[in-house]
Amino acid sequence: NAGVMQNPRHLVRRRGQEARLRCSPMKGHSHVYWYRQLPEEGLKFMVYLQKENIIDESGMPKERFSAEFPKEGPSILRIQQVVRGDSAAYFCASSPGPRNTEAFFGQGTRLTVV
Amino acid sequence: DAKTTQPNSMESNEEEPVHLPCNHSTISGTDYIHWYRQLPSQGPEYVIHGLTSNVNNRMASLAIAEDRKSSTLILHRATLRDAAVYYCIVSFDSGSARQLTFGSGTQLTVLP
Repeated sequence: NAGVMQNPRHLVRRRGQEARLRCSPMKGHSHVYWYRQLPEEGLKFMVYLQKENIIDESGMPKERFSAEFPKEGPSILRIQQVVRGDSAAYFCASSPGPRNTEAFFGQGTRLTVV
Repeated sequence: DAKTTQPNSMESNEEEPVHLPCNHSTISGTDYIHWYRQLPSQGPEYVIHGLTSNVNNRMASLAIAEDRKSSTLILHRATLRDAAVYYCIVSFDSGSARQLTFGSGTQLTVLP
């Protein structure tokens, strides 16, 4: 059973470009969470999705950021018109259920905006 | 959600037990206590979680105070591979939504 797969592992974008980060949850997991870790800081929750639904996006910036988890395929975190402050490690986690269960994290995507 | 307080850093010698403390004095009755760790350049890894009773698994033990205002993660024999940032998290239960609120954690250094 493969773990949570994130790709790409490293992504470099110029200011103003779009970044697309992909996350394939563990087999059988329908709950996906995205977190962001700025340099030298702890992880911050961004968004929680189930298949085709956004359950909680209270941690998402109001502009330029969006997330989806379609019926088929991976979850996508999309950042439009990236700025240098978006440079961070973005982690995806999945779990089999919504409450008080173990969350499995991917290796992360390290986004660098130049 | 309940706030947690952990020491910024701790050191341990290899093959000795390590006790990592966490204070969570504002924990509510339905909050679980989770521990995750993050090795350098890796995503967080689940270690253990519990509600009221002490818990053991293959990685560690979790000792929860009777009043639940504090807990201790116990690594029975530290290895060099246990060097990581350890996060104590009190889960936020809000209907169907669930978040893990990561603080700054404890940086554990294991000395050979």
